Amino acid sequence: SQKIEQNSEALNIQEGKTATLTCNYTNYSPAYLQWYRQDPGRGPVFLLLIRENEKEKRKERLKVTFDTTLKQSLFHITASQPADSATYLCALETSNTGKLIFGQGTTLQVKP
Amino acid sequence: DAGVIQSPRHEVTEMGQEVTLRCKPISGHNSLFWYRQTMMRGLELLIYFNNNVPIDDSGMPEDRFSAKMPNASFSTLKIQPSEPRDSAVYFCASRWGQGAPEGGYTFGSGTRLTVV
Repeated sequence: SQKIEQNSEALNIQEGKTATLTCNYTNYSPAYLQWYRQDPGRGPVFLLLIRENEKEKRKERLKVTFDTTLKQSLFHITASQPADSATYLCALETSNTGKLIFGQGTTLQVKP
Repeated sequence: DAGVIQSPRHEVTEMGQEVTLRCKPISGHNSLFWYRQTMMRGLELLIYFNNNVPIDDSGMPEDRFSAKMPNASFSTLKIQPSEPRDSAVYFCASRWGQGAPEGGYTFGSGTRLTVV
């Protein structure tokens, strides 16, 4: 069956460190992968998109990698800040469906 | 643009009642999506429209759920009759174009539905 798996346990890190979140998928052939941030009581907010033929994408303190062989994406936040504390969701869309399917999300807590 | 607008923000209703959730997508976006979020199941895609036409409703849980998009600026999700297990946060999202959406999907703030 098709699955998108993110760490269900919360990730706790110290301010200033790099946070790394993992997204693994099975039985998908995604055309591209997206990462979203969700704060309590709010809708998801788009952060980054990476295509299947791209290995890495950066935006300010954010970096996403995409390994279609391992079927994995890593999401990095460098120099993390308490304001980065939120739930981070990865989502896949296959080229022939037009459907964006989400993982369960990983909650990040950055301590001052 | 004010973003994707959903109403109401909160809805409490009794089991068996009809519930209608509303969504106004971003002007110019031609695809609209309805999602449901619960702690147990996360964000689930219910149905999506492209150019006001329903493309895939395979995520709609059962016949009690229906969705319409009468024009490019308005969509509804209706539950009739509602049941306690329908309690969740319902999100509407929109995007422009096809292929990789460089700007991602834009989500509304959601409607928190409680069926008692």
